[in-house]
Formats: sequence, structure tokens, C-alpha cells
Amino acid sequence: NAGVTQTPKFQVLKTGQSMTLQCAQDMNHEYMSWYRQDPGMGLRLIHYSVGAGITDQGEVPNGYNVSRSTTEDFPLRLLSAAPSQTSVYFCASSQQGSQETQYFGPGTRLLVL
Amino acid sequence: GNSVTQMEGPVTLSEEAFLTINCTYTATGYPSLFWYVQYPGEGLQLLLKATKADDKGSNKGFEATYRKETTSFHLEKGSVQVSDSAVYFCALSAPDNAGNMLTFGGGTRLMVKP
Repeated sequence: NAGVTQTPKFQVLKTGQSMTLQCAQDMNHEYMSWYRQDPGMGLRLIHYSVGAGITDQGEVPNGYNVSRSTTEDFPLRLLSAAPSQTSVYFCASSQQGSQETQYFGPGTRLLVL
Repeated sequence: GNSVTQMEGPVTLSEEAFLTINCTYTATGYPSLFWYVQYPGEGLQLLLKATKADDKGSNKGFEATYRKETTSFHLEKGSVQVSDSAVYFCALSAPDNAGNMLTFGGGTRLMVKP
């Protein structure tokens, strides 16, 4: 099992550009989510999905879109990048249940100039 | 709302020293509690968890006990190693929350010197 994979590992964007961060998992997990990590703030939830075709907003959704067409993939789209979106982005997946372990990808480091 | 507070770092220790990282939480009901660890350049991985009051999670010499009366989940290790140098995150997952959302503390960086 590869677990949770993310691409790219690092990206530099100019303000106003768009891009898609890719996330895939091979554990057949129903739940997937995107977090951003900023210094001193831990991780904050951007969007999540409880199954194919179902997505919802987390704590900090503005400026981001998601879709879930398959169980395996959960891409995160930045429509018009802003410097405030400079961060490290982590994708995670889990089975259903609040006691379940979340499995995290290695992260994508994004710099918006 | 739910929140997690953990001690700010960095925490610098010598090898074989005793480690405590404090974590307290605010939540309704009985959340599940987690400690995740992030090694340099990597994603987060589960270190240990506890899903009900008085449960003790343990792994790799680390331990934490779910204390409902003090709303705490402090991380301890009796003898740290250089390889334990990492950032440690305390987190909670409220029961019946949509998407299994985790609420994280700010993280504590641990540096262990030989």
C-alpha cells in the first residue's frame, strides 16, 4: 500500500494563478480531508468528503474548491492564488468514526508570491 | 466550540531525560484524543490515541492518559532519544462530527541533544 500520496511536493505560484493539488489514497477509505498547516496554529480543516460525490466545507474553505468523483482521489483547487494561501497542505483519509486514525500524506508546500 | 491547548515549544532536552508535553482540551461530550508526530520533512503520523475516559494510549515508549476530570491528555516518555526530535500535535475528534474532523493544538517542537 502506498497509503496517501500527494503531488506536487513543492510549488511556487504568482498571485492570481490557479492550480490543483492532487491527493490519492489506496486504503478504500470513505473519508478524506484537506488541512493547511501554518506556524503556531496546528492544522486547520479546509474541506472534507464523506464519500464519492459528497463534499463539505471545513473551518477555512474560502479560496478553495474540491470535488470527489472517485473513492481514491480528492483534488484541491486554488482558483486565484493569494499570498495568504502560502502554507503547507496535507491530505488525510480515514474510515468512518470519530475514534478512527487519520492517515496523512507527505504534504505540499505552496509559496504564493 | 472545540479547542486544544498545548504547551509552546521548543522543548530542548538531553538524551535520556524525562519528557512531558501538556495538552488540555475543551469539547462537548466525550471526544477521542490523539497525539500525532511530525518528523522533519514528513507528514503527520499517529503516535497514540485514547477513545474514552481513563484510557491510556501508548506507543514507542510514549504514554498519555485520557483525564476527563481535568480535560487533559499529557504526553510522557521516560527516556527520550535523539530520534524523538520532532513536532508533536495533540488533537481531538468530537463524537458524531461530520467528516471525522480533527481539532489540533498548535504543536510542540521537541529537540533532543546527545
